[in-house]
Amino acid sequence: AQTVTQSQPEMSVQEAETVTLSCTYDTSESDYYLFWYKQPPSRQMILVIRQEAYKQQNATENRFSVNFQKAAKSFSLKISDSQLGDAAMYFCANIQGAQKLVFGQGTRLTINP
Amino acid sequence: DTGVSQDPRHKITKRGQNVTFRCDPISEHNRLYWYRQTLGQGPEFLTYFQNEAQLEKSRLLSDRFSAERPKGSFSTLEIQRTEQGDSAMYLCASSSPRTGGLSYEQYFGPGTRLTVT
Repeated sequence: AQTVTQSQPEMSVQEAETVTLSCTYDTSESDYYLFWYKQPPSRQMILVIRQEAYKQQNATENRFSVNFQKAAKSFSLKISDSQLGDAAMYFCANIQGAQKLVFGQGTRLTINP
Repeated sequence: DTGVSQDPRHKITKRGQNVTFRCDPISEHNRLYWYRQTLGQGPEFLTYFQNEAQLEKSRLLSDRFSAERPKGSFSTLEIQRTEQGDSAMYLCASSSPRTGGLSYEQYFGPGTRLTVT
């Protein structure tokens, strides 16, 4: 069975600094996708970044990048130059095929001005 | 592209009543998913459809829950004889096998927050 674990319930960072959110997962499949979703307070879930398991290169989207370690089943999210608008719950998720997403428990990120 | 919409956004009901939620996916998406999210937790999968066919149901989906997607477009999720434990955010998402090259990305609606008193 797929599992996703986020071991940091809460994180905080000073504005303009860099923060890394951790995620580990377990899967028996060789072909899968990993995602980080952001859920701001009282707002809907939006996709931040995605990683295909067959790609060795780490995904990057502007200030967001991942460190994908396939052998270790680790998928961390790095946010550079943190902004107040980055404050949200962040969920790591795994998917195999066009089926269900399996989410971690989430990390609440606070940005200190 | 108007995004995924859900109605209602909030629902307060008394224990034992039936409730029905609606989800309108992105129009060209053929897959539609329902998730449940309790406070402080990640969403949990309930069920999903490809077109009008319901392809998988979670063990979380008890006999009191039923979902339909009769014409392969919008979907409804009904909860009969609601219990206080049903209080949660119910999220809908849609996807297509290929969405602009971003395989299997799911787009979420704003959710329906259910409170059972």
